Amino acid sequence: DAGVIQSPRHEVTEMGQEVTLRCKPISGHDYLFWYRQTMMRGLELLIYFNNNVPIDDSGMPEDRFSAKMPNASFSTLKIQPSEPRDSAVYFCASSLNRKNIQYFGAGTRLSVL
Amino acid sequence: QKEVEQNSGPLSVPEGAIASLNCTYSDRGSQSFFWYRQYSGKSPELIMFIYSNGDKEDGRFTAQLNKASQYVSLLIRDSQPSDSATYLCAVNEEGGGADGLTFGKGTHLIIQP
Repeated sequence: DAGVIQSPRHEVTEMGQEVTLRCKPISGHDYLFWYRQTMMRGLELLIYFNNNVPIDDSGMPEDRFSAKMPNASFSTLKIQPSEPRDSAVYFCASSLNRKNIQYFGAGTRLSVL
Repeated sequence: QKEVEQNSGPLSVPEGAIASLNCTYSDRGSQSFFWYRQYSGKSPELIMFIYSNGDKEDGRFTAQLNKASQYVSLLIRDSQPSDSATYLCAVNEEGGGADGLTFGKGTHLIIQP
């Protein structure tokens, strides 16, 4: 399997613009997680899905953030409007089952100017 | 608020020695414990997981768990320069559960040749 695939790898945008990050989980994995990593706060869980259904979005920082999973092989994390403090590396991870061993994608490095 | 604490380091260890990484967690309900390794600019990759009190060995790596003390550690024997990375401790509330992981901020390990 190709692993968790994220796109784009790098995104540079200006404040106020909409940003969409994409993730393809490992085929057959039922759980999908979105994390954000910064030097100050470390790796933080934003939201996770089980069988395409959002289960816990308590980590989403603001209403500017939204996530969807329209099918088992695709998820998006959208920021609208983006702000400089959103600059971070965003990781998507998936896991097969309740064992909760999560496999991470390569991440998207977002810079909001 | 679940908290996972790690010494940020850097922890410097001579090549061939044992590296000892420590982690404490606040939630007594935590049941699953994970160690991830993250090279600079890369995504976290799973090194070990442990669910039960005691030691678990895998090659040069040993995970140790003490739930009474809310303490988990990772020992790396015969340290190699390629072990130089940031090591992230992560916990999950429910054994086998599907909640997202709570990560520590990581310990930066440097193996000196």
